[in-house]
Amino acid sequence: DSGVTQTPKHLITATGQRVTLRCSPRSGDLSVYWYQQSLDQGLQFLIQYYNGEERAKGNILERFSAQQFPDLHSELNLSSLELGDSALYFCASSRLAGGLETQYFGPGTRLLVL
Amino acid sequence: GEDVEQSLFLSVREGDSSVINCTYTDSSSTYLYWYKQEPGAGLQLLTYIFSNMDMKQDQRLTVLLNKKDKHLSLRIADTQTGDSAIYFCAEAYNQGGKLIFGQGTELSVKP
Repeated sequence: DSGVTQTPKHLITATGQRVTLRCSPRSGDLSVYWYQQSLDQGLQFLIQYYNGEERAKGNILERFSAQQFPDLHSELNLSSLELGDSALYFCASSRLAGGLETQYFGPGTRLLVL
Repeated sequence: GEDVEQSLFLSVREGDSSVINCTYTDSSSTYLYWYKQEPGAGLQLLTYIFSNMDMKQDQRLTVLLNKKDKHLSLRIADTQTGDSAIYFCAEAYNQGGKLIFGQGTELSVKP
């Protein structure tokens, strides 16, 4: 158990809908990262937050947004969902920001868009 | 550029050593990581190596880094059926926190 929690574990929804994925980092970690794992794209970095502020952005679609709250939990919002958004979404956390910090991953949220 | 390459499959017999290889392109990377993903599960951090090291050993795991060739390998000694999983190598950058992952190598261990 990495100490990173994600809810829900599974999510099934329809095209055009909007969903929110939630992540709680390890106790004491200030940085949260979101990754998407799909069959065709592999594991891709989406976005990073550090102590409530956006720190780095990757291949995140405009339909997707994220935020980190004062209690350091983070939410990833996916809107106008398409079939191709079906994937496993991982959250990771690290104590600080930057490439010297080890990232610990949560169990993921599996999203299926029908 | 940012690119990490791994072979997709590896099959070994129980008790043999497994060697999973990875190449990366960006020489400015700082840490290089190995993660393990079992079916239906998340990513488990196995080990990591700092870019100024050549080798790191951690129980049955040995990581070798050849900076000149930008080649990283993970050796698992005495491979067990419980080691069957997908193994990802990833590189991290000093300026940002994102990890760049390879495609993953599916390790199959036959009894």
